[in-house]
Amino acid sequence: NAGVTQTPKFRVLKTGQSMTLLCAQDMNHEYMYWYRQDPGMGLRLIHYSVGEGTTAKGEVPDGYNVSRLKKQNFLLGLESAAPSQTSVYFCASSYKGNTEAFFGQGTRLTVV
Amino acid sequence: QQQVKQSPQSLIVQKGGIPIINCAYENTAFDYFPWYQQFPGKGPALLIAIRPDVSEKKEGRFTISFNKSAKQFSLHIMDSQPGDSATYFCAPARGASKIIFGSGTRLSIRP
Repeated sequence: NAGVTQTPKFRVLKTGQSMTLLCAQDMNHEYMYWYRQDPGMGLRLIHYSVGEGTTAKGEVPDGYNVSRLKKQNFLLGLESAAPSQTSVYFCASSYKGNTEAFFGQGTRLTVV
Repeated sequence: QQQVKQSPQSLIVQKGGIPIINCAYENTAFDYFPWYQQFPGKGPALLIAIRPDVSEKKEGRFTISFNKSAKQFSLHIMDSQPGDSATYFCAPARGASKIIFGSGTRLSIRP
């Protein structure tokens, strides 16, 4: 079982460039999440989705957009990357809010 | 009412000691109290979780203690080993809610 797969694993962007991070899960989970993790800051929720076609803002949504067109995929977009968006991004999925969350391996993004 | 406070921020314990990590929450509607473990370069993974109908759960060397009236739960690691060195997160939640993580505790077990 693949679980949660993130693409790409590493990326370097120039300020102002755009990119999309892809998260795919094969567990038929309803809930999907995007987090960012910075040194000493823990995991902060960017956006999340409670089902296909739904999205909602988390704690730090500014500068990011998301889409959940298919149940198994959750896309995170950066329209105009900024150095402050340099971080490690984790995608996660769960059946409901109060069940185990499964995480991907992370995407290390550097914006120069 | 999603505020979650985790302590301590970092912890150093000698091998064989019993590190204790605490998580305090505000939302009384939470009904799932997990601890996640994260190793460097990896995503977090569920370590142990408890539901509010019990006050303690033990899995191997890991124990969760739950105090509903105090709105807090704790992780205890018995006979700690250097391989337990990791960052630990609590993430109390309820069925229809997003998952918000505590700020994390960096645990180091010295040989």
